Amino acid sequence: AQRVTQPEKLLSVFKGAPVELKCNYSYSGSPELFWYVQYSRQRLQLLLRHISRESIKGFTADLNKGETSFHLKKPFAQEEDSAMYYCALSGLSGGSNYKLTFGKGTLLTVNP
Amino acid sequence: GAVVSQHPSWVICKSGTSVKIECRSLDFQATTMFWYRQFPKQSLMLMATSNEGSKATYEQGVEKDKFLINHASLTLSTLTVTSAHPEDSSFYICSASQQPNEKLFFGSGTQLSVL
Repeated sequence: AQRVTQPEKLLSVFKGAPVELKCNYSYSGSPELFWYVQYSRQRLQLLLRHISRESIKGFTADLNKGETSFHLKKPFAQEEDSAMYYCALSGLSGGSNYKLTFGKGTLLTVNP
Repeated sequence: GAVVSQHPSWVICKSGTSVKIECRSLDFQATTMFWYRQFPKQSLMLMATSNEGSKATYEQGVEKDKFLINHASLTLSTLTVTSAHPEDSSFYICSASQQPNEKLFFGSGTQLSVL
């Protein structure tokens, strides 16, 4: 079974402060991990995926297999980063079907 | 980028009626589409995986006869909520990828309210 845990429902920081959104996963195979973001009144969209190792909008995330974590980080938060962030894991789920499992999400609020 | 169109955006229906939601990949072919359900202030729960030309794979606890999924072409999947009841009221989202385990593109979602 695959599981994604985001321990913080809410996270509030001030503009310019560093931010870290935590994500831990459970999966027996080799996982592929993603961060999705949902801005207010907009559809869910991909922020970044671990396999591409790129930085999007200043966010980075490193897959730590030892700690089974994929925390999302940004050194200087901006007000426009306020949104709901979902960590997700893609893995085989019985047979040949891939399944994307989402964490419960963390609502990030960046205060001016 | 790839676009997934979902229709309708919102629907209100009477209890006992059926509602169909469409999900289309506009500029790519999607062999696999996924249907999710999102309760207020909660995460997305996968309901089923829709494969073109074959039966959908439902997650545990999801009633196959209530949530009918049809993936008749590489660009269209439909979710029909049959005999809807107030407890079916929720936000339904579809997503699609061009290849398995590839980036998912999401529709804008459908807010279903059953009176």
